[in-house]
Amino acid sequence: DGGITQSPKYLFRKEGQNVTLSCEQNLNHDAMYWYRQDPGQGLRLIYYSQIVNDFQKGDIAEGYSVSREKKESFPLTVTSAQKNPTAFYLCASSIDSNSNQPQHFGDGTRLSIL
Amino acid sequence: QQQVKQSPQSLIVQKGGISIINCAYENTAFDYFPWYQQFPGKGPALLIAIRPDVSEKKEGRFTISFNKSAKQFSLHIMDSQPGDSATYFCAASKGGYNKLIFGAGTRLAVHP
Repeated sequence: DGGITQSPKYLFRKEGQNVTLSCEQNLNHDAMYWYRQDPGQGLRLIYYSQIVNDFQKGDIAEGYSVSREKKESFPLTVTSAQKNPTAFYLCASSIDSNSNQPQHFGDGTRLSIL
Repeated sequence: QQQVKQSPQSLIVQKGGISIINCAYENTAFDYFPWYQQFPGKGPALLIAIRPDVSEKKEGRFTISFNKSAKQFSLHIMDSQPGDSATYFCAASKGGYNKLIFGAGTRLAVHP
C-alpha cells in the first residue's frame, strides 16, 4: 500500500531532551511537510521540503529542526528549545510543491511532556 | 492577510440534514482552496478542492461554493450521515506554492 508512515504514534519527552519523529513515504513525492496541530486550532506549518537536500522554515520553525537526505524520509527533531512541544504532529507529502497538488497526510505522532 | 477564518467552531446536525461550514480569507493571491476531513487520531484527508475560476464544485454529497468577490467559500454536506461526524478544515494556498493556510476547524456531529 502506498502512503505515509509516521512513527511512533505516541512519544513522551523529558525536560531538556531532544526527540525525533519519523516520517516515511512510498508515494515517490518530491515535497514533504511537517505540521503541528493544537486543540481548537488549525494545522500550522513547521517546515517543508520541496526536494531532497532542501528545506525551508514554515510559520513556527523555532525549536524544531529537519533533514531531507532521502526522497522518502523527512524526520522532525523537537529540540529542548521548544518550550511547549505537547501537540499532535502531522507529516504530509505532495507530488511537488505546486499549489494544485493535494497533500496526503500520515496519521500523526502525539507528543507529550513527562 | 494570511489568515483563513472558519465558522462555526462546532455544528450539530440531524441525520439527513444539510451541514454548512463557512470560511473567509483576506489574501486575494490565494488560488487553491481545499477542504480536509479528519477523524480522531487520524491525519486529515482531502475531501474536495476548488480554484477561484469556478463558483461551485460538487462531488457526491459534498459541494464547495465559492464567492470570489466576498472572499468566502463554504462546504455543504447534503443528506448528512453519522459517519460524516468528524472535524473539517478549510485551507488556502497561493501563487503556485503549496503552503497551505488552514482554518481552525469545525467539529461536526451528525445525530441519528
